[in-house]
Amino acid sequence: AQSVTQLGSHVSVSEGALVLLRCNYSSSVPPYLFWYVQYPNQGLQLLLKYTTGATLVKGINGFEAEFKKSETSFHLTKPSAHMSDAAEYFCAVSGVLMEYGNKLVFGAGTILRVKS
Amino acid sequence: DTEVTQTPKHLVMGMTNKKSLKCEQHMGHRAMYWYKQKAKKPPELMFVYSYEKLSINESVPSRFSPECPNSSLLNLHLHALQPEDSALYLCASSQGKGNPYEQYFGPGTRLTVT
Repeated sequence: AQSVTQLGSHVSVSEGALVLLRCNYSSSVPPYLFWYVQYPNQGLQLLLKYTTGATLVKGINGFEAEFKKSETSFHLTKPSAHMSDAAEYFCAVSGVLMEYGNKLVFGAGTILRVKS
Repeated sequence: DTEVTQTPKHLVMGMTNKKSLKCEQHMGHRAMYWYKQKAKKPPELMFVYSYEKLSINESVPSRFSPECPNSSLLNLHLHALQPEDSALYLCASSQGKGNPYEQYFGPGTRLTVT
């Protein structure tokens, strides 16, 4: 079974500061990992994904994440926060490949607040 | 084009009404999903269609009835809902079986049951 833990339901940073959102996963099979962002009253937008290969993954809007198998982590970072980054972020894991596609297990989400 | 569209954007319905939510994608994806998202919670999977066949029903009450008329369309028929069914309903799609492809989400339908 797969599970995701996002440490910190709320994270607050100043504009221009480093953004670090933490995600730890549990998976009985090699995981496929995703970060999604959700702005208020909108759907989820994919930021980046890890499937295989390079463990440092770059995504949209300057975000990146590093897959660390030994730490079972997939933390999301951005060197310099912008006001437009304020949103809720979900980490998700997909493990066993199902007949129909893939089943995502989401973390509880982290709300990022950016202070001016 | 990585767009999933959903209509309507907002829906208010009484407990005795029948309504439908619609979802459409033109990315050639063969798996389509319905999720329910309550405020300040992650999305919860409801149904999965793969190659136009219902593959997964996550023990959803029968007042929710999914339908996949073709590979591009996904409907969710609603009947006799309860106030606790008020939520954001999200549709998503992904490439078919055998690959860990990402899911692309629509903007959602905000449903209020009165």
